[in-house]
Formats: sequence, structure tokens, C-alpha cells
Amino acid sequence: AQSVAQPEDQVNVAEGNPLTVKCTYSVSGNPYLFWYVQYPNRGLQFLLKYITGDNLVKGSYGFEAEFNKSQTSFHLKKPSALVSDSALYFCAVRDGSSNTGKLIFGQGTTLQVKP
Amino acid sequence: NAGVMQNPRHLVRRRGQEARLRCSPMKGHSHVYWYRQLPEEGLKFMVYLQKENIIDESGMPKERFSAEFPKEGPSILRIQQVVRGDSAAYFCASSPLTSANTGELFFGEGSRLTVL
Repeated sequence: AQSVAQPEDQVNVAEGNPLTVKCTYSVSGNPYLFWYVQYPNRGLQFLLKYITGDNLVKGSYGFEAEFNKSQTSFHLKKPSALVSDSALYFCAVRDGSSNTGKLIFGQGTTLQVKP
Repeated sequence: NAGVMQNPRHLVRRRGQEARLRCSPMKGHSHVYWYRQLPEEGLKFMVYLQKENIIDESGMPKERFSAEFPKEGPSILRIQQVVRGDSAAYFCASSPLTSANTGELFFGEGSRLTVL
């Protein structure tokens, strides 16, 4: 069965510092991996995805994520955090052998960036 | 381009009433997914539909919940005889046929159901 784990409920960083939001996954086939962001009372916005190719994926708003097959991880990173990055972040996975677009989401990690 | 449109954005129902949530996918999208977000929890998959077909309803509760995506009109998630535990945000997402295999979903703003 597919699953996603986000081990941290909340991550706190100071503005200007680098940030990392962790994600590990489990799928039976090749993984398709995604990060979404959710602002209060809003829907989810797509940030980036890994399907195949380069392990370092660049996405919206200066975010990037690194796919690590041996550690089954897909951590979200940003070199310099902004206060406006404060939001709820979701990692999601789809089994690449599946022929549907159904995504399985992690529990979410709240990112708090302090000025 | 209009995004995924959901209505109502907020819905209040008393226990035992029915709730109907509507979702119009992005133009050109033929795949619709419904997710539920309970307070302080992540998104749980409920159902995946294409026009006039339910493809995967493995996340739907066995009773009181149903979904449809007719040939014309929006997709509808229907909850009969609502209970307090149904209070949640219900999100609709869509994808075009061509990206279904890459799995990128486009989400609506959600419908927040409160059951009194």
C-alpha cells in the first residue's frame, strides 16, 4: 500500500534561514512525488513534482525538493525562508504503475517563519 | 482561465439533513477527485470520477455518501443524514486526460461543511 509520512507537525525557522520540511514515502512501484502548499481557508496549490530524471526538482516560489531513492525521501527545501512562506505543506505520492491520478497525502507540516 | 470552482464555500446543516457539494472542474479537465480534510488532519481521498463513471470510490464511507459526475454539469458529492462527524472541508480536484498519468491535480478552494 502507498503511504506518505511527514514526521514533523510543525517546523519553525527564522526569516532568511534555510528551511527543510521532511517527507518519506512508500510505494510498490516507481514513485511520483508532489509537494503542495495550503494557506488558511484556501485550497491546495501545487509547488513541484518529481516524476523521473534529475533528483533535484525546482518549483514555485523558490522551493526545491530532493528525491532520494535509497532513503525513500523527498524533502522540501528553500535556501532563504520568507515570513510569507508560513503555511501548511503537504507531501503526496502516487504509484507510477497506477493508471489513475489519485494522490495519497501526508498529514501535513505547518511551517512557521518568524521575522 | 477559471480554476476549479466549488460551491458552496460554506454550508451549515443540522443533523439529519442532506448536504450537496458541487464542483466544476477546470475547462478541458475530465477527471475529478474528491478529498476530505478533517480538522487538524491531512487530506483523505474519497472518490475519483470521470464523466458518467465512478473509477475509484475506495475512500468513500459505505453509507450516506455518494458522488456523481454527469455528462453535463458539475460533479456532486452528496451526504445524506449528516452527522457532526461529517463536519470537514471537502476539496475537489481535477486533471486533464493528458496529465492523468503524471498525477498533477488542480484543487478548488474547498467547501466547508459544519453540522450543528
